[in-house]
Amino acid sequence: DVKVTQSSRYLVKRTGEKVFLECVQDMDHENMFWYRQDPGLGLRLIYFSYDVKMKEKGDIPEGYSVSREKKERFSLILESASTNQTSMYLCASSLGRRKYFGPGTRLLVL
Amino acid sequence: EDQVTQSPEALRLQEGESSSLNCSYTVSGLRGLFWYRQDPGKGPEFLFTLYSAGEEKEKERLKATLTKKESFLHITAPKPEDSATYLCAVQEIAGNNRKLIWGLGTSLAVNP
Repeated sequence: DVKVTQSSRYLVKRTGEKVFLECVQDMDHENMFWYRQDPGLGLRLIYFSYDVKMKEKGDIPEGYSVSREKKERFSLILESASTNQTSMYLCASSLGRRKYFGPGTRLLVL
Repeated sequence: EDQVTQSPEALRLQEGESSSLNCSYTVSGLRGLFWYRQDPGKGPEFLFTLYSAGEEKEKERLKATLTKKESFLHITAPKPEDSATYLCAVQEIAGNNRKLIWGLGTSLAVNP
């Protein structure tokens, strides 16, 4: 079974802090994604990566950056956390069109 | 504007009461339509991919169908463990083939 793990299930941070969310997949997938999920807005793509060191902006990249130094790991960075970044963050990986999601990180920014 | 609309937003069924969830889409050309299930506090879990009108896929009590404008997820004789949010997503031909357009989901509750 494909497994996608995320470093934290719950996270509480202060406004202005730098926040790192880590995602690891164990199936050698080329594509990895970061989404945020908010009530009434659904799943929105932040960034995705189709290879090591390659990244592309999604629909809402402002305030975020990403890093993919190894194929299995995709990190999401909030350079200076703000309260409007309070959300559920979901990482996913895919080889073809089917996506495998991690359990999510619920981030609260105070 | 390309979009995906799911209805109803919420549905409550009695155990054994069959029903259907709807996903309507407006895109210039469909590459694929995806159904996912999401349990509270968890990430979405893949159910089906449909590629062309007339296609059907089945898994246990679930059956997904596709027309040129919409997809239905039919739930036959549901059980309480089928309670979840069901998400629909569409990949269009013209767009970046790694990006999906997601619906907001239908929250299904099945009472015993």
